[in-house]
Amino acid sequence: AQSVTQLDSQVPVFEEAPVELRCNYSSSVSVYLFWYVQYPNQGLQLLLKYLSGSTLVKGINGFEAEFNKSQTSFHLRKPSVHISDTAEYFCAVSVNDYKLSFGAGTTVTVRA
Amino acid sequence: ETGVTQSPTHLIKTRGQQVTLRCSSQSGHNTVSWYQQALGQGPQFIFQYYREEENGRGNFPPRFSGLQFPNYSSELNVNALELDDSALYLCASSSYKEGGGYTFGSGTRLTVV
Repeated sequence: AQSVTQLDSQVPVFEEAPVELRCNYSSSVSVYLFWYVQYPNQGLQLLLKYLSGSTLVKGINGFEAEFNKSQTSFHLRKPSVHISDTAEYFCAVSVNDYKLSFGAGTTVTVRA
Repeated sequence: ETGVTQSPTHLIKTRGQQVTLRCSSQSGHNTVSWYQQALGQGPQFIFQYYREEENGRGNFPPRFSGLQFPNYSSELNVNALELDDSALYLCASSSYKEGGGYTFGSGTRLTVV
């Protein structure tokens, strides 16, 4: 079975500052990795995904993530956040594109 | 290209009742999954359908059941509703051809009173 741990439940950050959201996973087989964003009262939107290849993955809205197999991590970063980045962020893992196993989420609050 | 649409957006039911939630998959997607997201938590996998057959199930009781239709739309049925069934129910579709990642709908907020 696979599992995901998001190491920070809440991350406050000032506008235009960088942000990093940490995600570790556990799996005995190769996995696909994802980051999703959820704005209040909405569904999930895919930010980026890692399937194979380059370990640095670029996504939408200026986000990127780095897959580190040895540390079983998939941390999400953005060099400069905006107020509109205030949202809940979920890291997820799947095996062979089957069900997604999600972390508990990280609430990002961007302050002016 | 249409996305994933879910109906209704909000629903209030009484404990013990039955409910049906509906989902239209994104065009070209033949796999649909349902997730339950309780308040303040990450989504939990309920089950997945592929070509009208259940293709896997999470840790949910049999009173949670589903259907997938030939046009790849789907229903989630929950019988004998309990207060703990109050949650956001998310439908997600994908295609094995695309490889990786699901497109989620905006969800149905179910409140059981």
